[in-house]
Amino acid sequence: QSALTQPASVSGSPGQSITISCTGTSSDVGGYNFVSWYQQHPGKAPKLMIYEVTNRPSGVSNRFSGSKSGNTASLTISGLQAEDEADYYCNSYSSKSTLGIFGGGTKLTVL
Amino acid sequence: QITLKESGPTLVKPTQTLTLTCSFSGFSLSTSAVGVGWIRQPPGKALECLALIYWDDDKRYSPSLKSRLTITKDTSKNQVVLTMTNMDPVDTATYYCAHRLMDDYGDSEAFDHWGQGTLVTVSS
Repeated sequence: QSALTQPASVSGSPGQSITISCTGTSSDVGGYNFVSWYQQHPGKAPKLMIYEVTNRPSGVSNRFSGSKSGNTASLTISGLQAEDEADYYCNSYSSKSTLGIFGGGTKLTVL
Repeated sequence: QITLKESGPTLVKPTQTLTLTCSFSGFSLSTSAVGVGWIRQPPGKALECLALIYWDDDKRYSPSLKSRLTITKDTSKNQVVLTMTNMDPVDTATYYCAHRLMDDYGDSEAFDHWGQGTLVTVSS
């Protein structure tokens, strides 16, 4: 099962907005509204930031938002802060797996 | 408050069987609409879903690892156990267990609470 495609790295300055893409196929991202996003700081467990494409769990800042168009989902972080520097992973339900597949991860650097 | 914690060996030899235990609190796997999954992450690499078990004993496995994995639950002990047979050095990874987020419509296909993870090294 191929992983979802994410850019290896993105960067932005404090206060700016960045977007991380996650590209799949009609069997996963494009076919279902079950895309989630996780933030992972070095040496820490992942933290759920977005689920079902656009939903934020309680306690997650509204600077984080999710969207989807066709086979590509996106995570947008507005008003970048130093604490946002981390790895970000997307995940989608897949009809070929039924367990979900992750993207390869994107390293966000806050300049 | 939901918490999960993984336990098991930190070092296993090639061909051995790995047994990991996830001990949790703050929810019960005997309650409707609850699930617990296992996810792993090789050093410096991406996350990979391994297996998932629901309150009704429904189970899902990674297609590529299905023949090597078994997931079970012990509701009386609030534990989920994952066994992986025929371990190989490529299975060296941090193994996480996580709570499945259920919403008003059912399984959200996301994990909202994670354990701290346990690093398992496969080496002779």
